[in-house]
Amino acid sequence: GNSVTQMEGPVTLSEEAFLTINCTYTATGYPSLFWYVQYPGEGLQLLLKATKADDKGSNKGFEATYRKETTSFHLEKGSVQVSDSAVYFCALDSGAGSYQLTFGKGTKLSVIP
Amino acid sequence: NAGVTQTPKFRVLKTGQSMTLLCAQDMNHEYMYWYRQDPGMGLRLIHYSVGEGTTAKGEVPDGYNVSRLKKQNFLLGLESAAPSQTSVYFCASSPGTGYIGELFFGEGSRLTVL
Repeated sequence: GNSVTQMEGPVTLSEEAFLTINCTYTATGYPSLFWYVQYPGEGLQLLLKATKADDKGSNKGFEATYRKETTSFHLEKGSVQVSDSAVYFCALDSGAGSYQLTFGKGTKLSVIP
Repeated sequence: NAGVTQTPKFRVLKTGQSMTLLCAQDMNHEYMYWYRQDPGMGLRLIHYSVGEGTTAKGEVPDGYNVSRLKKQNFLLGLESAAPSQTSVYFCASSPGTGYIGELFFGEGSRLTVL
């Protein structure tokens, strides 16, 4: 079956540090990949996506590249801010009429001034 | 500009009581979903619907029922609540085919079962 594995958290960084959150996946076929963000007390929001191999999704300074050869979709940001403190979820949609996303367990990021 | 609205936002139940969570979306989306979020478990799909009058089971459907009588509403019911159903419940919607992964989430409903 499909699965998503994210790096264990929590992750604590100082403001302006470089961020990487690792995500690897197992899926049949050609999945689409997503990063969602959940700010405290809120629902999840789509942060970025990539629908085919070598695609790069980007938004709000975050980037992730769909690497089929390593089955990975790592999230990166060059300089984090306190406002980036949130829980980040990697997810995949396997397509083929699955109608549902498979989520990773989430990685909590705390950015300190 | 409401998006996805869940009611109630908080509820405390005793074991064996029943309740219904209501999800309403005003974006004319075809697909709707109910997830539960538990510490260390991420999000797990309970039930989903791909259109008015249709429902289907997700990963963890036991102990829950759903109905989609109107396109804009998706109800999640607990007939006999158990402490294992203490969780935060999220409703989400999606435009439909071609947008499967692009979900719009509500703010969540925190349920505690004593």
